[in-house]
Amino acid sequence: KAGVTQTPRYLIKTRGQQVTLSCSPISGHRSVSWYQQTPGQGLQFLFEYFSETQRNKGNFPGRFSGRQFSNSRSEMNVSTLELGDSALYLCASIPGLADMNTEAFFGQGTRLTVV
Amino acid sequence: AQTVTQSQPEMSVQEAETVTLSCTYDTSESDYYLFWYKQPPSRQMILVIRQEAYKQQNATENRFSVNFQKAAKSFSLKISDSQLGDAAMYFCAYRVGDNYGQNFVFGPGTRLSVLP
Repeated sequence: KAGVTQTPRYLIKTRGQQVTLSCSPISGHRSVSWYQQTPGQGLQFLFEYFSETQRNKGNFPGRFSGRQFSNSRSEMNVSTLELGDSALYLCASIPGLADMNTEAFFGQGTRLTVV
Repeated sequence: AQTVTQSQPEMSVQEAETVTLSCTYDTSESDYYLFWYKQPPSRQMILVIRQEAYKQQNATENRFSVNFQKAAKSFSLKISDSQLGDAAMYFCAYRVGDNYGQNFVFGPGTRLSVLP
């Protein structure tokens, strides 16, 4: 069974630009969550999607947005990039929402550098 | 708000020895779920062990075990017979949510070095 796939692995963007990151969950998984990891703030929850609907959102500005497609693949978009958006963006997938004990499977992340 | 604290930013252990990583959390929930994830240099988070709060018995997974003290809101991870491959960042996490949405709240992490 293929794992969670995130593309691209590395990305360099200029301040003010926008970026789109992609996450393909494990086959059959319908919930996709996004996390931002930085040395200063650690791992912070961005948002969660389930069946193409955003179910949960962290405390991030509106420049951060996302969506989920009918095949459960998810994208997140960051507009008007700032230097502080430089981070590792991790995606996690789980089968659904009912079982809070379910293991979440993570991708290897996308390393975004804003210059 | 739920918070997770890991008071040891870095730890080291000799190969084959035992090490314990500490974690405390804050919550007003009575039933919840706790996890330890490992992040090696490959960056991919890997589940080490999980614990349901209503289960009093401490979870174990091979060389990994937890000491879950619900009243103290403590969830430490013990690694026995440490191996070089155990070197990684270890994150303690608390899962919040319900059938309508869920997410992890992670601690700041502990970097574990394993010395040969």
